[in-house]
Amino acid sequence: DQQVKQNSPSLSVQEGRISILNCDYTNSMFDYFLWYKKYPAEGPTFLISISSIKDKNEDGRFTVFLNKSAKHLSLHIVPSQPGDSAVYFCAALQEGSRLTFGEGTQLTVNP
Amino acid sequence: AAGVIQSPRHLIKEKRETATLKCYPIPRHDTVYWYQQGPGQDPQFLISFYEKMQSDKGSIPDRFSAQQFSDYHSELNMSSLELGDSALYFCASSSGGKETQYFGPGTRLLVL
Repeated sequence: DQQVKQNSPSLSVQEGRISILNCDYTNSMFDYFLWYKKYPAEGPTFLISISSIKDKNEDGRFTVFLNKSAKHLSLHIVPSQPGDSAVYFCAALQEGSRLTFGEGTQLTVNP
Repeated sequence: AAGVIQSPRHLIKEKRETATLKCYPIPRHDTVYWYQQGPGQDPQFLISFYEKMQSDKGSIPDRFSAQQFSDYHSELNMSSLELGDSALYFCASSSGGKETQYFGPGTRLLVL
């Protein structure tokens, strides 16, 4: 069963606008969440993370929001840039062990 | 800053052959993780090591084995290769007690 789900396979936004990528999870034991960005033929690059005891974490243009009651998190990118075009993976951790990934969302930022 | 190093980057093998993938973690990282990403799929956890001991095991076939050495590098040994083993294999490392895992560039294995 897919414990971490990214229901949107793709997202297209205009440069300068906000990109919002969503992620849902089912396992209430997950206590840490991460977002990774991946280009073809490269490894996932860590972007931002959030602990389950927080509801928001911000780093420059990237903000992650966590709604524990809804088991939902989102990544906001403002403003979006063409260089942000990549596949974005949501991942979850339980007690600092293995990462469980979502299916990924292909973000395309159009100039 | 130094990143995770994986070698080789590309590998082509025949069915039933063996393959060895190597991973060199970020300096002072003591935990190594292996993931497999099939075409169009998300990365799936295989196995992890902390301080040279296996710390967690996922969906790793019995034909695969791995270990972490005294210098913290890790090797994934794959025997009796099958066509379905063709995938990207990622190694990630972290510093004990810290949650963020940093990934290497991956090894692309093609089994013919």
